[in-house]
Order: sequence, then structure tokens, then C-alpha cells
Amino acid sequence: EVQLVESGGGLVQPGRSLKLSCTASGFTFSDYYMAWVRQAPKKGLEWVATIITSGSRTYYPDSVKGRFTISRDDARNSLYLQINSLESEDTATYYCARHSTIAAISPFAYWGHGTLVTVSS
Amino acid sequence: DIQMTQSPPSLSASLGDKVTITCQATQNIHNYIAWYQQKPGKSPRLLIRYTSTLESGTPSRFSGSGSGRDYSFSISNVESEDIATYYCQQYVSLWTFGGGTKLELK
Repeated sequence: EVQLVESGGGLVQPGRSLKLSCTASGFTFSDYYMAWVRQAPKKGLEWVATIITSGSRTYYPDSVKGRFTISRDDARNSLYLQINSLESEDTATYYCARHSTIAAISPFAYWGHGTLVTVSS
Repeated sequence: DIQMTQSPPSLSASLGDKVTITCQATQNIHNYIAWYQQKPGKSPRLLIRYTSTLESGTPSRFSGSGSGRDYSFSISNVESEDIATYYCQQYVSLWTFGGGTKLELK
């Protein structure tokens, strides 16, 4: 059974940094593209990062480029999201997601339960 | 970047109704559209990929169609368990979600 478990969320002050983690199990982690998706309170879904297999290439929307860094450790079956210079607009539940197939062009078939990040002084 | 305009933002239906949600992309997405269901307090669930391919476990009352820039998602014979918010997503060029459609019972 595919499982994705996020951690690292919490209350953080504006301007600080935070690193989220996602531990995967139930599949060969190194075979799949992985992603982070966030959802602000009572708002829609926003894709924020994807990392390819091997970790040699990453993708971000313009809205977070330069502040967010996605990385992976295949030996630990783990995915990470480093968020710098946190802003109130970054307040959201952050989901770890696995792309559905080994192919690059694929949606997100598996999701974790999410970790809540609250940015407030 | 490709943007997805989803409508309507909310929808009210009676049990047994057929409902349809539409998504329009800012450019041709070549059928690379997926549809997700999210129930309150839960993570999203992938229902349909590549316009009309149902994921394992997706009931047959769900369907998708479309081409080019315009796509639709339908639920025939709405059941109480279908009450949720639905999102479209293009994945031909990066990944972009539509704004969502909240389905409520009339």
C-alpha cells in the first residue's frame, strides 16, 4: 500500500525558513517523480514543486520560484521542501504527492494527509 | 504558463441528478487533463486521467470528455457520497489546477 507521511509543519514567524519532509513507503520511491501541492485555508489546490527521478531536475511555478527548493533522498525514501523567507500567503496545508506513472507527463495519483504551515508573528 | 478556468464555482444538485463541470485551458492541452475529488478534511483523490480514463475504483457514474482547450467532467445519478469539491488539472506543461467546483445537495 502506498503511503506518504508529511511532517515539519507548524507555526513560524514571517521571514523565517522551514523544511518539510515526506516519508514514502509501499513503492519504489526512486522510480517516481514526486511533488508538493499546497492548499491555503478554504482555498483551492496549488502545485508548488516537482522533482524528477534522480533529483537532477526540479520544477516550480513562478509564484514560488527562488524561495522554495524541493529535494529528495532516495536512500531514505524521503522528499523535502525547503521554504525560505516565509510570508503570510504561504499559510497552507502542504501535501506530498506521487506522480501516477513513471512517465514525466502524469497527474498525482497518491497524496499524503498533509502538514499545516501557519505563518504568523 | 497554462491557466485553467473551471466553472461553475459551486453547484447544487439533487440525488439522482446529472451534473457537469467544465474547464477551459488557455492553450491546447492535448487531452492531458485530470479530475480530482476532495471531501472536507481529506486529501484529494485522482478520479480521471487523460480526459476520460477512470482510475481504479472510480465509479462508472463519473465521466470525462473534451479536446483542445475545452473539457468537461460529469457525474450521472449523483449520490450523497459525491458531495465534495472537484478540481481539474492540466499536466501537459507543468501542472496547473482549476479553481474548484463545490458540489452541494439541493
